[in-house]
Amino acid sequence: SQELEQSPQSLIVQEGKNLTINCTSSKTLYGLYWYKQKYGEGLIFLMMLQKGGEEKSHEKITAKLDEKKQQSSLHITASQPSHAGIYLCGADNSGNTPLVFGKGTRLSVIA
Amino acid sequence: EAQVTQNPRYLITVTGKKLTVTCSQNMNHEYMSWYRQDPGLGLRQIYYSMNVEVTDKGDVPEGYKVSRKEKRNFPLILESPSPNQTSLYFCASSYLGGRSLNSPLHFGNGTRLTVT
Repeated sequence: SQELEQSPQSLIVQEGKNLTINCTSSKTLYGLYWYKQKYGEGLIFLMMLQKGGEEKSHEKITAKLDEKKQQSSLHITASQPSHAGIYLCGADNSGNTPLVFGKGTRLSVIA
Repeated sequence: EAQVTQNPRYLITVTGKKLTVTCSQNMNHEYMSWYRQDPGLGLRQIYYSMNVEVTDKGDVPEGYKVSRKEKRNFPLILESPSPNQTSLYFCASSYLGGRSLNSPLHFGNGTRLTVT
């Protein structure tokens, strides 16, 4: 079955610093999805990547999918307290089975 | 407003007492799914439904039942809850199982269940 590993498991950064979260798949991906969860709330869709080498940005968050389509990184520039939460990657490795999710990266941003 | 609504948000119950967590979506989505989220284990799928009257097991279906009699509703039923079902539960919906850029998964705000 699909295995998704996220690193780091948790991250504490000072406001204004940059950070990167990684998501590695054991299989080639049809699609890679990034979601953000505020503590105790539901998940909110951030971005979807499908093509090898693809890069997308939303405000100060940039996500990339490597050429082999087995690893994605999420980069936040000049972090703010509003970026705090749990970031989860979700993977589609067959095109016709439900998405599976990584265990998440808990991000704290301190002033 | 497009949304997935779960009820209740918090529930404390005792072992063996049947309960139902409701989920409703107003986006006419074919696909609906239930997940549980536990520390260290992440988000795991319990059951999903591709359309009305069609349901399939996810990764951790034991101890749960679901039904999809109407497109908008997808209740999660625990016939005889046990303490190991204490968890944070999420319902989600989309058009294509969340695999389309135009229809990512929409999640409810979660139901925190405690079984004593």
